[in-house]
Amino acid sequence: GAGVSQSPSNKVTEKGKDVELRCDPISGHTALYWYRQSLGQGLEFLIYFQGNSAPDKSGLPSDRFSAERTGGSVSTLTIQRTQQEDSAVYLCASSSLGGNTEAFFGQGTRLTVV
Amino acid sequence: GEDVEQSLFLSVREGDSSVINCTYTDSSSTYLYWYKQEPGAGLQLLTYIFSNMDMKQDQRLTVLLNKKDKHLSLRIADTQTGDSAIYFCAEKQEYGNKLVFGAGTILRVKS
Repeated sequence: GAGVSQSPSNKVTEKGKDVELRCDPISGHTALYWYRQSLGQGLEFLIYFQGNSAPDKSGLPSDRFSAERTGGSVSTLTIQRTQQEDSAVYLCASSSLGGNTEAFFGQGTRLTVV
Repeated sequence: GEDVEQSLFLSVREGDSSVINCTYTDSSSTYLYWYKQEPGAGLQLLTYIFSNMDMKQDQRLTVLLNKKDKHLSLRIADTQTGDSAIYFCAEKQEYGNKLVFGAGTILRVKS
């Protein structure tokens, strides 16, 4: 596609349920990032995928959070046993390698845990 | 560490200049970026600077880079109410080509 696509755009879930958030990066981009942004706040780094290298998971807040990137393209962020503090906008970004690697962001998934 | 730090909030009057500051830690960073996030919208690249440059100017925007002090700034001349947004700086680290973002500076422009 032309840009980074995330789905769903909005998700309301009950506390304790599992959720999956999807990110479709720009075709050919080898780097993919997940960030979390609470209302009116800054970006919190979650995880970074780069090609076939082991992902940098240093930002995942707990073992309830996990992410996969299949075939070097689509990525899924899974949150198990959701808690109210997980409510935020989850942003995905992708970039190419080499030179000025501008990161292109998706519009995000707004997750609300009730 | 790999922290990129920014002040959280800046308030200016319409027509004044705004200066948003950022410090980073990776001295081998190759590119540094400024992103803008308007209310309710996604992040968009505003401008960037290559690490061998000291300054870059683009219309009302001036980026200054002090590589020795690992300090980056964004100056917005003649700030307008439409400039109200969150501004994020980011560095591209040489190792792993990872982009590291600051937490963002909320710019509020008062008319």
